[in-house]
Amino acid sequence: EADIYQTPRYLVIGTGKKITLECSQTMGHDKMYWYQQDPGMELHLIHYSYGVNSTEKGDLSSESTVSRIRTEHFPLTLESARPSHTSQYLCASSADRDRGAGELFFGEGSRLTVL
Amino acid sequence: GESVGLHLPTLSVQEGDNSIINCAYSNSASDYFIWYKQESGKGPQFIIDIRSNMDKRQGQRVTVLLNKTVKHLSLQIAATQPGDSAVYFCAEAAGNKLTFGGGTRVLVKP
Repeated sequence: EADIYQTPRYLVIGTGKKITLECSQTMGHDKMYWYQQDPGMELHLIHYSYGVNSTEKGDLSSESTVSRIRTEHFPLTLESARPSHTSQYLCASSADRDRGAGELFFGEGSRLTVL
Repeated sequence: GESVGLHLPTLSVQEGDNSIINCAYSNSASDYFIWYKQESGKGPQFIIDIRSNMDKRQGQRVTVLLNKTVKHLSLQIAATQPGDSAVYFCAEAAGNKLTFGGGTRVLVKP
C-alpha cells in the first residue's frame, strides 16, 4: 500500500475562489507529480518536482501553481477557480532510480467541481 | 475542462477467461514501460513493468509482452475475475519523461 495522501478527496466551490489541493507522501521520494484527468480519459502531466525548491511545468498547460518547500509535501494552488478547472487531480511520487523514470505511486485523487 | 470518456475502448470478458489489452506506443526511444490499473474513484495502481531489454515479463496472473519492432505493448490477465474490472493504462518512459496512453476499460461479465 502506497503512502501518499491527497486532501480534499472531493471539493465543490464557486467561480473565483482560491483553492489548494494538498499532497503528502511518507516514502521519502524526491520526485513528485501532479496529473489532471477527466473521467475515463488519459492522464496529463501538469506539474512535477525532482526535489525541494525544484518545480517544473508539465506537458499540459495549467493555470495552477505548485510549491515544494519540504520533500514530503507538494501542494497545488488555483488562485481563481473557473468551471474549466473542473476535473480530477492526481498526485504521484516516485523513488529516484539510477536512471530515468520509475514506478509512480498515486494518491486517491482530488475531484474538483467549480460551479 | 471536463469531458465524458464516451469513446474509451472497452473490452468485455467472461469471468474465468483470459484478457488481452493492447497498447501502441509512439516513442522509439522509450526504454521503460508500465501498466496501471485504475478502479472507479481511485488513483492508478501499478500492475507490472518491463524494460526495453526484455520482451516478456510475468507477474501474478499478469504477463506483459513488448514488441519493440512494431512499438506494441500488451497486458495479459489470466483467469479474469470481477475484481479485474477497471480502466487499464499503459505508460512509456524515455529518460525521465513518462507518458500515459489512453486507457482501456475492462468489464468482467459473471
